[in-house]
Amino acid sequence: NAGVTQTPKFRVLKTGQSMTLLCAQDMNHEYMYWYRQDPGMGLRLIHYSVGEGTTAKGEVPDGYNVSRLKKQNFLLGLESAAPSQTSVYFCASSLSAGRGPNTEAFFGQGTRLTVV
Amino acid sequence: GNSVTQMEGPVTLSEEAFLTINCTYTATGYPSLFWYVQYPGEGLQLLLKATKADDKGSNKGFEATYRKETTSFHLEKGSVQVSDSAVYFCALSRGNNRLAFGKGNQVVVIP
Repeated sequence: NAGVTQTPKFRVLKTGQSMTLLCAQDMNHEYMYWYRQDPGMGLRLIHYSVGEGTTAKGEVPDGYNVSRLKKQNFLLGLESAAPSQTSVYFCASSLSAGRGPNTEAFFGQGTRLTVV
Repeated sequence: GNSVTQMEGPVTLSEEAFLTINCTYTATGYPSLFWYVQYPGEGLQLLLKATKADDKGSNKGFEATYRKETTSFHLEKGSVQVSDSAVYFCALSRGNNRLAFGKGNQVVVIP
């Protein structure tokens, strides 16, 4: 019962390098999300997807790109990493969204990214 | 817009004490409300939820009641344990497919 799996768990990048964070869910959820967590800021939504082939911007999308080519995977890319992108990144998925049942999100274990 | 406000600052209390963490929300319509818990080094886990006014969510001794008249969803536990030490986040599910989170409260339970 894997749920939401993120890879890698830790990464150190140099400024200007690029990388891709992978998120995979095995619950057949339509909705997927990428958040970043910073001290004192709570969780902030970077990008999200409402289904395969769709993506949309969240609160803090600048410097990031995403793709959802397959329903179970949601990739977060950093084209040119900056120290301000040092953070813990969480992927999440949900069966439904909006109001009512089945709207709770299930989270991965996180990726701790340091940009030096 | 739709948002969640949690009380400021960490919460430190002794084992078996009563815990309350305040959460108020601003929303149009009737959002679903959630409490998530994050243990050190882990992702967020759903603790409890309520989907309509006057619903009470409960799990692991924690409770929260969806109060429409006061736009609140306060988290309570009658007798905390050291294992309850974690960060607690209040959240609401908005109509535009996104969750809005509060900033979280660090809870430290001292033996």
